[in-house]
Amino acid sequence: TQLLEQSPQFLSIQEGENLTVYCNSSSVFSSLQWYRQEPGEGPVLLVTVVTGGEVKKLKRLTFQFGDARKDSSLHITAAQPGDTGLYLCAGLRGNNRLAFGKGNQVVVIP
Amino acid sequence: GAVVSQHPSWVICKSGTSVKIECRSLDFQATTMFWYRQFPKQSLMLMATSNEGSKATYEQGVEKDKFLINHASLTLSTLTVTSAHPEDSSFYICSVTAGGVETQYFGPGTRLLVL
Repeated sequence: TQLLEQSPQFLSIQEGENLTVYCNSSSVFSSLQWYRQEPGEGPVLLVTVVTGGEVKKLKRLTFQFGDARKDSSLHITAAQPGDTGLYLCAGLRGNNRLAFGKGNQVVVIP
Repeated sequence: GAVVSQHPSWVICKSGTSVKIECRSLDFQATTMFWYRQFPKQSLMLMATSNEGSKATYEQGVEKDKFLINHASLTLSTLTVTSAHPEDSSFYICSVTAGGVETQYFGPGTRLLVL
């Protein structure tokens, strides 16, 4: 059973367009993290959201944590080819363990 | 953030042999390390939590006798895949964290191919 569902699984857009991807769960998490993973590499942490309703910005990336702390979204403004990658969300479980979603594969076409 | 290395970065072995993968925390002392496995186009699945100086805690469905974990120091954890079979072929990734801190720093991964 996948604790975190990410949608869409795959998204291809033109450079300069905006996009939003989602991470949903029926469980409440104390915090949720977003990572980006390049092929053949480990994930790199982008942001951690903790408070329900929290919004965090990282340059052109905007992360939002749902009020009920069950879901999150990632919005990219004016996407660039360098934004191409697999975006993974992960919820924090007991004993510092992370449960990962399957990821949103984003491809930005120049 | 912490710098984490893994060795080897990739390995090919024959079915039935054992393979050891190292995870090193290069710039801080990691009281806890995690081992994940990732199959193609799948998410990271947590295999076990490795605590320095004590036995690892395995997730449900992960065979502790097949995936031996040793966390002998604050900077090194090893995962040994014993009697590897083709279905063990995967991308193995470790992460490190300091006690009580939620942030995990991931290694670059080890690609295992069992023939």
